Amino acid sequence: AQTVTQSQPEMSVQEAETVTLSCTYDTSESNYYLFWYKQPPSRQMILVIRQEAYKQQNATENRFSVNFQKAAKSFSLKISDSQLGDTAMYFCAFMKPSNAGNMLTFGGGTRLMVKP
Amino acid sequence: EAQVTQNPRYLITVTGKKLTVTCSQNMNHEYMSWYRQDPGLGLRQIYYSMNVEVTDKGDVPEGYKVSRKEKRNFPLILESPSPNQTSLYFCASSHKWTSGTFTGELFFGEGSRLTVL
Repeated sequence: AQTVTQSQPEMSVQEAETVTLSCTYDTSESNYYLFWYKQPPSRQMILVIRQEAYKQQNATENRFSVNFQKAAKSFSLKISDSQLGDTAMYFCAFMKPSNAGNMLTFGGGTRLMVKP
Repeated sequence: EAQVTQNPRYLITVTGKKLTVTCSQNMNHEYMSWYRQDPGLGLRQIYYSMNVEVTDKGDVPEGYKVSRKEKRNFPLILESPSPNQTSLYFCASSHKWTSGTFTGELFFGEGSRLTVL
């Protein structure tokens, strides 16, 4: 079974600064997806970024980028130029496609507060 | 608009009173699933379905039932709710991984906050 660990329950950052959220996972699979989801106070689950394990290049989406270290089983999220709207709970998640209907295994979450 | 719709969004009930949370998707997704979210534990899969009339248990299925009689609908049934089922529930859907449109992304509903007294 896969496990996902987010070691930072809460973090804060000043507006316009950069913050990095940590995520480690454990799996024996070689082909899988990793994701970061954002959950604002509205509770909606919003996909921030995805990474396919076979791709060595780190994924980037505007101000969001990841540092994917496959051998170390590490998948951190960097948020540049933090904005007040980035305040949310962030979840790291793992998927082995086809397993249990594309089941996502989630970490416990990191609550990020962006301060003005 | 592509979406996953859950109802009700909020519900307070009492122990033992049967309830159903409905879920419907309009994206013709083959796969549907239910998750519950609890503090510090992230989201955990309750049940999933890979096709009409095909359902299976996830990681935390105790106390729940599901059915998939139509492709678009996947209701979650709590036959006799208990206080430990107080949680935030999410329905999600996706294409099957062998489809040419599979991107890995799950599409989530807006969540249903359930309180069992």
